[in-house]
Amino acid sequence: DAKTTQPTSMDCAEGRAANLPCNHSTISGNEYVYWYRQIHSQGPQYIIHGLKNNETNEMASLIITEDRKSSTLILPHATLRDTAVYYCIVFYYNTDKLIFGTGTRLQVFP
Amino acid sequence: NAGVMQNPRHLVRRRGQEARLRCSPMKGHSHVYWYRQLPEEGLKFMVYLQKENIIDESGMPKERFSAEFPKEGPSILRIQQVVRGDSAAYFCASSPISQNYGYTFGSGTRLTVV
Repeated sequence: DAKTTQPTSMDCAEGRAANLPCNHSTISGNEYVYWYRQIHSQGPQYIIHGLKNNETNEMASLIITEDRKSSTLILPHATLRDTAVYYCIVFYYNTDKLIFGTGTRLQVFP
Repeated sequence: NAGVMQNPRHLVRRRGQEARLRCSPMKGHSHVYWYRQLPEEGLKFMVYLQKENIIDESGMPKERFSAEFPKEGPSILRIQQVVRGDSAAYFCASSPISQNYGYTFGSGTRLTVV
């Protein structure tokens, strides 16, 4: 079973930052937080991952709380093409498999 | 550097026929994972394979479904005697041995059983 809790859906205006929260209160010390998204019916796309430090790449930023029980994915300037289902997954690469929950359906509007 | 290649993209089978779905992992990736996504539902893990070995098949239906990843060639997900309930998108993902960058997914095969 998925170990994360995400809101079912969110809206965001184009050009604004989209902040997608995720709760993972049972995360263990060696588990990473991964974010994927699925645009329409395409294959899931890796966005970013982190362990305890905040991370940033060309797509997004990941903010992980100090106790690691929650995190936020930030898309700094959302575009219409960012409309997708976003999945937050806790995962220990060497022993686990990716388990997808229901994710957050992000709708970016003009 | 080609990504994960799945073929065919679309597959139509009549009830009772066999479906074969192929997945070529990214170059240098030796782990393959298959997921199924039923219409309007999330992705469900099916099976995890390494070359010539099934590591975890806890998500595979007990009957009619099988998977292999031979020493040479693509990974194959095989569904025998398909039924309408098998209609879904089947995604394959691959990962390398030791890098902690998660999985790379293919574009999927959409199976329609008529």
